[in-house]
Formats: sequence, C-alpha cells, structure tokens
Amino acid sequence: GESVGLHLPTLSVQEGDNSIINCAYSNSASDYFIWYKQESGKGPQFIIDIRSNMDKRQGQRVTVLLNKTVKHLSLQIAATQPGDSAVYFCAENAGGTSYGKLTFGQGTILTVHP
Amino acid sequence: DGGITQSPKYLFRKEGQNVTLSCEQNLNHDAMYWYRQDPGQGLRLIYYSQIVNDFQKGDIAEGYSVSREKKESFPLTVTSAQKNPTAFYLCASSIGRALRTDYGYTFGSGTRLTVV
Repeated sequence: GESVGLHLPTLSVQEGDNSIINCAYSNSASDYFIWYKQESGKGPQFIIDIRSNMDKRQGQRVTVLLNKTVKHLSLQIAATQPGDSAVYFCAENAGGTSYGKLTFGQGTILTVHP
Repeated sequence: DGGITQSPKYLFRKEGQNVTLSCEQNLNHDAMYWYRQDPGQGLRLIYYSQIVNDFQKGDIAEGYSVSREKKESFPLTVTSAQKNPTAFYLCASSIGRALRTDYGYTFGSGTRLTVV
C-alpha cells in the first residue's frame, strides 16, 4: 500500500551540530509534503512544507530537500539546540480526491545533548 | 488568538462506556480531522470532515463516531465497540481545498484517553 516511512527512528546529536532527518515515501502521486515537530504530550507543530515542483525550501534554521526520483524527503536542522529535541514527522498529501488528507510517517526521535 | 481547542486533556473511560472528546476551532477552517496516536507510532486518521454536515471515514473508523453540525466543532465519540481505545487523540483543522502552500494542519493539544 501507499505509505510514508522513516529511515531512522532515533537520532542523537550534540548541541550545535547539524541534524538530518530522513523520510521515504512510496506514493508517486504525492505532491505536497510537510514536516512536523511534536513535543511530549503536545500536538504536532508545523515546521516547513514543500511542493513537488520544488526540490529545496529553506526556513529559519531548517531546510527541506525533496528528491522525487528516489521518493525521499529530508529535514535539515542547522545548529541544533536542546529545544529541538522532539519527535519529527513527515507527512504527505496526494492531492486530487485526497486533497486535505495527510498521511503521516512513523516519526523520528531527535535528542540533542548539551 | 485563533486556534484549535481540545478538551478534556485527560479522560478516563470505564469498560463499556461511550465518551465524547471535544474539538473546537475559531480559525474559520473548512476541514477538520481526528487522528489517533499510539506510543512510538505515527498518526492514524479516524474521521475527517471537509464541510459542515458531511464527514468521511478514515483508516481506523471502527468503534468511533463523529458529527459536524457546526463549522467550528467536530466532536469524536469513542464507543464501547472500540476495543482498544487507550491512546492520544489529536484533532486538526485546515483550510481545506486551498491553493496556498502553507495549508498544513493546525493541531490541537490532544486528549489522552485511558480505559480503567
């Protein structure tokens, strides 16, 4: 079936390092992707999104890269801080009749050590 | 400030009881969604509604029911037919059929339901 998955379930980094969180997707019809951050006991928060007509998009300290050839999405966090520790989810939308519906990946736990 | 509010934050259910989780938004969003999250797992879609008085089943709708009588409200009832209801429930809303690039969901803070 169609799904969104993550390569690494956990990632541990030192404060100040750059972090890269990966996500693989299998639905070639997906045309919109979002990264969310979820802290313990809270709802997910929007980080950054990207449409399939782009291969890179930058935000504040975050960059999302999209490689449609291999159906791969990544989130890069620059100068990672302890406050970045959370679970990170990628999500995809296939558009069309599923417009507005997001399919979420399993999540990656990011731990930042001071 | 606009936002989406879920209540209660914690809810305990006895075996065989129905319970209703509240979700209210003042963002003027057309679409609303309910997700279930189990420990160490991603979000699974229970029900969604793109417009008032209309809703569709998601991937795990069995044992749940919803209503969408008002644009602002999308309550979820966990019925006694749901055999494993203990989970973290998240409500979300979105503009819906929009062309803006940041139409991603706004999530509530969640309700943790525990069967006792």
